[in-house]
Amino acid sequence: DAKTTQPPSMDCAEGRAANLPCNHSTISGNEYVYWYRQIHSQGPQYIIHGLKNNETNEMASLIITEDRKSSTLILPHATLRDTAVYYCIVLGTDSWGKLQFGAGTQVVVTP
Amino acid sequence: DAGVTQSPTHLIKTRGQQVTLRCSPKSGHDTVSWYQQALGQGPQFIFQYYEEEERQRGNFPDRFSGHQFPNYSSELNVNALLLGDSALYLCASSLLNSPLHFGNGTRLTVT
Repeated sequence: DAKTTQPPSMDCAEGRAANLPCNHSTISGNEYVYWYRQIHSQGPQYIIHGLKNNETNEMASLIITEDRKSSTLILPHATLRDTAVYYCIVLGTDSWGKLQFGAGTQVVVTP
Repeated sequence: DAGVTQSPTHLIKTRGQQVTLRCSPKSGHDTVSWYQQALGQGPQFIFQYYEEEERQRGNFPDRFSGHQFPNYSSELNVNALLLGDSALYLCASSLLNSPLHFGNGTRLTVT
């Protein structure tokens, strides 16, 4: 079973920030938080990952709470091309590559 | 620089037949993972290959087997096809302990 809980869906207005929550209350000390997204008819795309510090790259920012039991993926300026299913995944170094996808969050960006 | 390429893109087989799916990893990557994605669900991990050996395996029967070649490309074989094997099969490549890059998959239909 997936180790994360995400809302099934959320809407976001184009140009606004999209904040995607994820709960991972059973995360272990050596487990990372990964985010992938899957646009319709394409394979999943890596977005960002982190261990305990906040991370930012050209696609998004990842905010991890101090107790590491939850995190938020932030898309700073959502575009229509950001419409996708977003997956939050907890991954340990001993099972690297064995991603456990849950149901994810269907994000719809509207004009 | 080509990303992960999979062939064929679509395939129709009859129950009981055997199928081989192929994957060429992104240039520079040495690890290949395979996933099965049923309609409306998240991808499920099948197995991972590194240095031509199966490194990890998910909860799939022995009918699912694979191979990695010296040039790092990979094949997924499924024997005795069942109707329930109909799915999108995704290949992902990476360097060891780095984020996965996915192809757009092979859509297998078993009739």
